[in-house]
Amino acid sequence: SAVISQKPSRDICQRGTSLTIQCQVDSQVTMMFWYRQQPGQSLTLIATANQGSEATYESGFVIDKFPISRPNLTFSTLTVSNMSPEDSSIYLCSVRRSSYNEQFFGPGTRLTVL
Amino acid sequence: GENVEQHPSTLSVQEGDSAVIKCTYSDSASNYFPWYKQELGKRPQLIIDIRSNVGEKKDQRIAVTLNKTAKHFSLHITETQPEDSAVYFCAASASNTGNQFYFGTGTSLTVIP
Repeated sequence: SAVISQKPSRDICQRGTSLTIQCQVDSQVTMMFWYRQQPGQSLTLIATANQGSEATYESGFVIDKFPISRPNLTFSTLTVSNMSPEDSSIYLCSVRRSSYNEQFFGPGTRLTVL
Repeated sequence: GENVEQHPSTLSVQEGDSAVIKCTYSDSASNYFPWYKQELGKRPQLIIDIRSNVGEKKDQRIAVTLNKTAKHFSLHITETQPEDSAVYFCAASASNTGNQFYFGTGTSLTVIP
């Protein structure tokens, strides 16, 4: 499995501000994903972070709200923009070495928006 | 797209008993089915997975079965222990849809000592 770290682990933010979450992997991976998990809920895919090109967003998520960068095969960022209390959630990055390998999750970032 | 349903949503068992969690999926193209365990405040961890070319896979006290005809798969935990208490998620993925994982809604398992 890959060693995945996320920063920050948690944050409390004011509405209207933005937060950038970083995801770092200890080795190169083909696929990186960003998920949201609201309290007591399942995992919802926000987008696939594509290295060298724009992220692929799922229905209900847009680039203006959740801009994503992936400058190389070991790092990605997710920004939650113009936050509101409804954005309070856990945000997890996830990686897969290739299309046919297992998928692993980072430790998550617990975001609270006041 | 794929729709994964998971049952039950909560499950309580006595320590030492078995626990079974069931999932159904809708897309016959799905060919990879992982199970994740998420303890409170922790990340989801992959505990076992199965691909469509096999019907059953075991790893110590955990087993997963797959019925492709009926489009359902199940997680079996035998001789349950208190440390098995967690939320379990099933997922389905198809290689022809970009390998996106479609997750079930989760099962909260409590093992009563």
